[in-house]
Amino acid sequence: GQQVMQIPQYQHVQEGEDFTTYCNSSTTLSNIQWYKQRPGGHPVFLIQLVKSGEVKKQKRLTFQFGEAKKNSSLHITATQTTDVGTYFCAENTNAGKSTFGDGTTLTVKP
Amino acid sequence: DAGITQSPRHKVTETGTPVTLRCHQTENHRYMYWYRQDPGHGLRLIHYSYGVKDTDKGEVSDGYSVSRSKTEDFLLTLESATSSQTSVYFCAMGTMPYEQFFGPGTRLTVL
Repeated sequence: GQQVMQIPQYQHVQEGEDFTTYCNSSTTLSNIQWYKQRPGGHPVFLIQLVKSGEVKKQKRLTFQFGEAKKNSSLHITATQTTDVGTYFCAENTNAGKSTFGDGTTLTVKP
Repeated sequence: DAGITQSPRHKVTETGTPVTLRCHQTENHRYMYWYRQDPGHGLRLIHYSYGVKDTDKGEVSDGYSVSRSKTEDFLLTLESATSSQTSVYFCAMGTMPYEQFFGPGTRLTVL
């Protein structure tokens, strides 16, 4: 079945540094969603990308969908301690079946 | 997220016993999901539902069954719990399949 690979698994940054996580697939993705899970919490939907080459921004977060729709990235500019958590990408079929990446866990040192 | 609850929030049980986890939503969302989350494996889909009495298997459905007799309730049953089913279980809902709102999770320990 469809597999969504996410890298890196862990990322440690100093507060103020940038952070990027990548989501890759060997096959074309119909869409990509990004979620954030705070330590001890539940995943929270951030955004969905559908179009080839799509770029969306939410304040310091920039989401991109590759031209070939086989990869996506989430970039955080000037990280803050509130950005700590695990970031997941996911693909969902129109029928509802979803596949999540294993996530990237971000820690931020003040 | 508001509008979706899970019960119980914590459960400890013994190998071989049946266990039912309940997910309840008040948003009239069509889609509902059950995931398990284990260290190093992210979120893995167990079963999902696209309507009342309409369910389908996810990638890790062996040992689990589900039922959805009403829009608001999605039950996950472990017929005979095993230690490998120790995990955190998340339920989710959505009006469309691509935007999911998660419940707070249930921590299940099978001894």
